[in-house]
Amino acid sequence: GAGVSQSPSNKVTEKGKDVELRCDPISGHTALYWYRQSLGQGLEFLIYFQGNSAPDKSGLPSDRFSAERTGGSVSTLTIQRTQQEDSAVYLCASSRPSGLDTQYFGPGTRLTVL
Amino acid sequence: AQSVSQHNHHVILSEAASLELGCNYSYGGTVNLFWYVQYPGQHLQLLLKYFSGDPLVKGIKGFEAEFIKSKFSFNLRKPSVQWSDTAEYFCAVNAKGGSYIPTFGRGTSLIVHP
Repeated sequence: GAGVSQSPSNKVTEKGKDVELRCDPISGHTALYWYRQSLGQGLEFLIYFQGNSAPDKSGLPSDRFSAERTGGSVSTLTIQRTQQEDSAVYLCASSRPSGLDTQYFGPGTRLTVL
Repeated sequence: AQSVSQHNHHVILSEAASLELGCNYSYGGTVNLFWYVQYPGQHLQLLLKYFSGDPLVKGIKGFEAEFIKSKFSFNLRKPSVQWSDTAEYFCAVNAKGGSYIPTFGRGTSLIVHP
């Protein structure tokens, strides 16, 4: 079956612009995570969705970052008024309902803010 | 809160050398433990995992890891590395009864020279 997909694969934007990153999880996976991966910094947790529960937004670095998940499936991460320090690879992962199981990662979106 | 420490940030080996990557975590309760691998230009993918039972777990491509509860460790090993093992390796911990958000280590970059 299809894995986790993300779009776009690359995004170059100018400082101050808004960007939207999309994630399509594996069908049936109710848990969805967003991470940010910067060079040498490992994975930084951003936000977690589990079914219809309120998302855990504890990792969002500022109020310029937001995410939503429509219909328990597709998720969109929005970054408003982008800054150069937002440049990174944004990864999406999904897992089965237990939330403790293996995560399946998408290919990521490489964001470059000029 | 749980944390994960990977002691080796960069490892360079020659083919056929033995590999051990350290991973220690801090959490007093029951945990699920993972090693993920990211080959150049590819997605993060699961290498192996420990949920319960035999503390010595075997994964893909000849990798294994041993969970030592008393040392809070989950070190990754391979007796003889190959050039194709060149990748970034991440240890992750998910605490049972916790927030369902895994904590990742900062990663270890492994380069294997042919």
